[in-house]
Amino acid sequence: SQKIEQNSEALNIQEGKTATLTCNYTNYSPAYLQWYRQDPGRGPVFLLLIRENEKEKRKERLKVTFDTTLKQSLFHITASQPADSATYLCALATDSWGKLQFGAGTQVVVTP
Amino acid sequence: GAVVSQHPSWVICKSGTSVKIECRSLDFQATTMFWYRQFPKQSLMLMATSNEGSKATYEQGVEKDKFLINHASLTLSTLTVTSAHPEDSSFYICSAPFAGGTSGNTIYFGEGSWLTVV
Repeated sequence: SQKIEQNSEALNIQEGKTATLTCNYTNYSPAYLQWYRQDPGRGPVFLLLIRENEKEKRKERLKVTFDTTLKQSLFHITASQPADSATYLCALATDSWGKLQFGAGTQVVVTP
Repeated sequence: GAVVSQHPSWVICKSGTSVKIECRSLDFQATTMFWYRQFPKQSLMLMATSNEGSKATYEQGVEKDKFLINHASLTLSTLTVTSAHPEDSSFYICSAPFAGGTSGNTIYFGEGSWLTVV
């Protein structure tokens, strides 16, 4: 199976700045890659999906890029707010729709 | 919008007993659902694929006789942890793919169920 790597260290960022998170994978490029938000003790919440033929996807203050050559996805939160504080998970599709393999997640802490 | 509900949110049980966790898709049908387990500070690990009307498919290393999955209807999958032991204490999460809608294909996750075995 894939090895999915996300920064294990928490990302501390000041309100208003842009947070950038990295997701690297090791083997085959998946058909699509997803990003989720997870708050403590809660299930993941879907944020964005980017397909292998898409370079960039945006949703409000969120932006995701997907570079299949580098085997990397970047997740950006622009104009970050304290409410954005959470753990962000990268997930790759495996052999069937809906079946995901997750990275360990990166915790983001936005301070006022 | 589409919602996936899990019950119970948390449960404490004695070692050796069995616990059932339910996963429901509230306003859409899900022929397939997925069960994950998450230990503290770790990633979600896929345990099994729940298939409506047929047997579940388990990931390598997951004991099918210990984690019984039943997908009785198009909106309900259950995970039963049999003869639970303290090492089974974890956060169990289900998901259901939803095709269509204004957001396109989306995977909805339940809120999770905390299991503590004492």
